[in-house]
Amino acid sequence: GNSVTQMEGPVTLSEEAFLTINCTYTATGYPSLFWYVQYPGEGLQLLLKATKADDKGSNKGFEATYRKETTSFHLEKGSVQVSDSAVYFCALRPDAGGTSYGKLTFGQGTILTVHP
Amino acid sequence: DGGITQSPKYLFRKEGQNVTLSCEQNLNHDAMYWYRQDPGQGLRLIYYSQIVNDFQKGDIAEGYSVSREKKESFPLTVTSAQKNPTAFYLCASSITGLKTQYFGPGTRLLVL
Repeated sequence: GNSVTQMEGPVTLSEEAFLTINCTYTATGYPSLFWYVQYPGEGLQLLLKATKADDKGSNKGFEATYRKETTSFHLEKGSVQVSDSAVYFCALRPDAGGTSYGKLTFGQGTILTVHP
Repeated sequence: DGGITQSPKYLFRKEGQNVTLSCEQNLNHDAMYWYRQDPGQGLRLIYYSQIVNDFQKGDIAEGYSVSREKKESFPLTVTSAQKNPTAFYLCASSITGLKTQYFGPGTRLLVL
C-alpha cells in the first residue's frame, strides 16, 4: 500500500537558519506530492505541491523537488522565521485509477519551532 | 469569501451520545472528505464523497456515519459505537477526487 515517512521531530532552529524536513514515500506509478502546514489550533493549509517527477513546488520561500529516483520530496527553506513555527505534513495522492481514487496518505507530521 | 467552515470549534460528548459535526463549503467542489487527527500522528481518512448522494468508507469508518444530501454539506456523526472519539476532526474538499484538497479549521471533540 501507499505510505509516507517524515523525519522524526521536533525540529528546533534559530531564526535565519536553514531548514530541511525529509519526506520519502512508497507508492506505485506517479503520485502527486504535497506539503501542508498546520498552525496551532487550526486546520491544514496547502504549502506547495508537485504533480510529476522533477517538478519543484515553491511558496513563501519553501521549496520541494519531486525526486522519483529516490522517492523523496524534501522540504527546504533557506532562512526560517519565528512565524514558520508549525507542524508540517507531507502527503501523497495516488495517480488516476485503482481503488485509492483521490485519497491522501499523510506522514506523521514534523513539529518545527523557530526561536528568535 | 469562498471557503470551508466547520462547526462547532469545540464539542463535548457524553457517554452513549451521538454527536454531529458540521462541514459546509461554498467552493462548488464535488468531492468532500473527513479526517481524524490524533496527537503525534498524521491524518486518517474516515469517509469521503465524490458526488452528492454517494459516499465511501475510508480507513477508519467504524463508529462514524455521514450523509451527502447537498453538494455544499457533508456532516459527520460520531456514534456511541466509536469508543475513542477524542480527536481533532478535519473536513476537506476538492473540485474532483483528483484535484488538490483544501481543509477547514477543524472541530475538537472531547468526551465528558
